[in-house]
Amino acid sequence: GQSLEQPSEVTAVEGAIVQINCTYQTSGFYGLSWYQQHDGGAPTFLSYNALDGLEETGRFSSFLSRSDSYGYLLLQELQMKDSASYFCAVRKDDKIIFGKGTRLHILP
Amino acid sequence: DSGVTQTPKHLITATGQRVTLRCSPRSGDLSVYWYQQSLDQGLQFLIQYYNGEERAKGNILERFSAQQFPDLHSELNLSSLELGDSALYFCASSARSRDEKLFFGSGTQLSVL
Repeated sequence: GQSLEQPSEVTAVEGAIVQINCTYQTSGFYGLSWYQQHDGGAPTFLSYNALDGLEETGRFSSFLSRSDSYGYLLLQELQMKDSASYFCAVRKDDKIIFGKGTRLHILP
Repeated sequence: DSGVTQTPKHLITATGQRVTLRCSPRSGDLSVYWYQQSLDQGLQFLIQYYNGEERAKGNILERFSAQQFPDLHSELNLSSLELGDSALYFCASSARSRDEKLFFGSGTQLSVL
């Protein structure tokens, strides 16, 4: 089966950097995705890593280590609007399986 | 706006009833996914269709069924509803069966009283 583990909550200060970790167990691994979901909103795609290393998109970066079955999402220069839940996800054949999500709290 | 349309936005019904949730994927997308999100829970995969065919099933209850029509819209049918079925139901679409990027609709909030 597949399982993804991520912290349930993370708190950080506005303007700071925060890292949200995700470890996974799955057979037939293709890559790791990240989604953001604001309260009352729909999940939106942030990034996808198929290969080891860091992918940067503006203030957000995502990292993957296939050998460690581990990845993280890095958010820099935190803004209050980044307060949301963040989900890592993996594909298993035709399914995309999501972790339970990490709620990011940002303090002013 | 993701381009995925879900109706209705809210649905309130009673236990034992049956409801139908509707999803129109983004123009050109052939693949449709259904997810259930309960309070403090992640996104639970229910079922996926590609170009009218069922491609994958998750932990979908036997009381639930879905289909994708020739015009590519999809419907999720929930019957014999129980209190525990109250949740946010999301539909997502992608162009192909194994695209990594899903586009989510705004969801249908189902309340079973």
